[in-house]
Amino acid sequence: SQKIEQNSEALNIQEGKTATLTCNYTNYSPAYLQWYRQDPGRGPVFLLLIRENEKEKRKERLKVTFDTTLKQSLFHITASQPADSATYLCALDMGDTDKLIFGTGTRLQVFP
Amino acid sequence: DGGITQSPKYLFRKEGQNVTLSCEQNLNHDAMYWYRQDPGQGLRLIYYSQIVNDFQKGDIAEGYSVSREKKESFPLTVTSAQKNPTAFYLCATQGGNMNTEAFFGQGTRLTVV
Repeated sequence: SQKIEQNSEALNIQEGKTATLTCNYTNYSPAYLQWYRQDPGRGPVFLLLIRENEKEKRKERLKVTFDTTLKQSLFHITASQPADSATYLCALDMGDTDKLIFGTGTRLQVFP
Repeated sequence: DGGITQSPKYLFRKEGQNVTLSCEQNLNHDAMYWYRQDPGQGLRLIYYSQIVNDFQKGDIAEGYSVSREKKESFPLTVTSAQKNPTAFYLCATQGGNMNTEAFFGQGTRLTVV
């Protein structure tokens, strides 16, 4: 079955730097890959979606890449701010099995 | 307001009891999901439904049951067969094409006492 791996350790960076989070998956490539933000005690909130035929997608300070050869997606936050501190989850939408599968998430901490 | 409503926010259960978590949506979405999240962990899929009166097991369905009698509602019952029910439960919906974002409720924190 499809497995999703995200950095289990927290990522600590200084304000203003670029944060890069990794999402790796096994087996076949999904039709779509999504990134979510989750704050403690809250439900995840959608950030970006990238399709398998897209290499890169941007939204303000966020950038997502999708490499189906490496079976990997990278999520970048440029000019990071303390308010960006949260857990970031990637999710795979297989497109035909009709279910959304989430990774374990990476906790990001941005220090002033 | 459009959205997803989960209730209650906090729920305490005695061992051996069944409890039902509510999830209601007014987004007119076809797909609904239930996930379980343990401390410091990701989301694990319990059950999902793409259409009324139909649902499928996810990765950790044992000890849980669901129903989808109405498009707006997808309640989850945590039965006494679930040995470790203490967790944060999240309900989500997704639009018709499956290539759209998922919307989440605020979650129910279930604790066994």
